[in-house]
Amino acid sequence: QKEVEQNSGPLSVPEGAIASLNCTYSDRVSQSFFWYRQYSGKSPELIMSIYSNGDKEDGRFTAQLNKASQYVSLLIRDSQPSDSATYLCAVNRAGSSNTGKLIFGQGTTLQVKP
Amino acid sequence: NAGVTQTPKFRILKIGQSMTLQCTQDMNHNYMYWYRQDPGMGLKLIYYSVGAGITDKGEVPNGYNVSRSTTEDFPLRLELAAPSQTSVYFCASSRQGENIQYFGAGTRLSVL
Repeated sequence: QKEVEQNSGPLSVPEGAIASLNCTYSDRVSQSFFWYRQYSGKSPELIMSIYSNGDKEDGRFTAQLNKASQYVSLLIRDSQPSDSATYLCAVNRAGSSNTGKLIFGQGTTLQVKP
Repeated sequence: NAGVTQTPKFRILKIGQSMTLQCTQDMNHNYMYWYRQDPGMGLKLIYYSVGAGITDKGEVPNGYNVSRSTTEDFPLRLELAAPSQTSVYFCASSRQGENIQYFGAGTRLSVL
């Protein structure tokens, strides 16, 4: 089992729809969860972080965390073609509070069609 | 602030050659990391450092070496380049106690 799993996609949604991206992780003691966006040929860029169970909203983005189910998701409302990118889920490695190490999923490619 | 700066942006190496990928950050971050990203894959940690003079191996360290003589700089050395090292390399940094990592623009390396 991979430590951080994402469906590689591509996930295709029409413009204006809600895109739902999912991520599961294997280490129950993970505490910090991140979503990075990576445009083709570019570096990852942090868009959301979440540390507690529940929802966290930032503009059109909502991160959802369920530690009991070891599941974190990212919802993108009113999807735009400019949201087309690969979304990487990252989780802090257990016991890594003094190193900052993260484990990354392989990413989900999102395509928003006009 | 420039953030995290990587040089070069692109490089082609012949098998067996060596090179150093440069990474510098101006955010006074203690923690720095080197990743490689193969096509369609996530990021694999090569080496990391929690401060000047302290480095440690990540998931895929074979064929690479690092040093951290200053807080700002974290170069990655490839000795005896192999085609399997063809990849995009990202350097990242983070503040101690905060897991948010900031990435450089990357170095695209081809070994032929």
